[in-house]
Amino acid sequence: AQTVTQSQPEMSVQEAETVTLSCTYDTSESDYYLFWYKQPPSRQMILVIRQEAYKQQNATENRFSVNFQKAAKSFSLKISDSQLGDAAMYFCAYKEGNDYKLSFGAGTTVTVRA
Amino acid sequence: EPEVTQTPSHQVTQMGQEVILRCVPISNHLYFYWYRQILGQKVEFLVSFYNNEISEKSEIFDDQFSVERPDGSNFTLKIRSTKLEDSAMYFCASSDQRVSSTDTQYFGPGTRLTVL
Repeated sequence: AQTVTQSQPEMSVQEAETVTLSCTYDTSESDYYLFWYKQPPSRQMILVIRQEAYKQQNATENRFSVNFQKAAKSFSLKISDSQLGDAAMYFCAYKEGNDYKLSFGAGTTVTVRA
Repeated sequence: EPEVTQTPSHQVTQMGQEVILRCVPISNHLYFYWYRQILGQKVEFLVSFYNNEISEKSEIFDDQFSVERPDGSNFTLKIRSTKLEDSAMYFCASSDQRVSSTDTQYFGPGTRLTVL
């Protein structure tokens, strides 16, 4: 089974500053996909960003970007210009190319200080 | 923007009772999923469903669980005889995946199940 590890249970960032969340994963597959989901207090999980393993270019989505290091099996999320609405639990998730299920990390709680 | 909806938002039941959690996936999606999140723990995959049958299930998804698409819009998770350890947030998700298995899974807001 694939293992997704988020080593930071909590992160705090000042509003307008940048925070980076780490995620590592363990796989022997070459075809897979990685995701970051945001879970605000309302509990609904919202996709933040996704990355296909075959793409070398790091995905970006407005203020969110990833640093995908395939050889190191690392997939970190950078939140730039942090806003109060970014406060949430962030989950890293992995999916094999021909599989159905997502495997989630334990999550990182992000708090944003005004 | 289309979204996955789930009802009820909170379900309280007595141990041993049957519960049915309901989900309405995004209308043009073909793949449906259930996940659960026990308080303070990881989100865990339960089951995926396509073309009216289970395509994959985890070891958590034992004989106490079943899924069904009773009509063209609803997708349900039934727990036949609930146990205390079934208390969790249950998330439904759906995806399109018409071309490949890469498509994103969109999640509903969840149903909090409390078993007393």
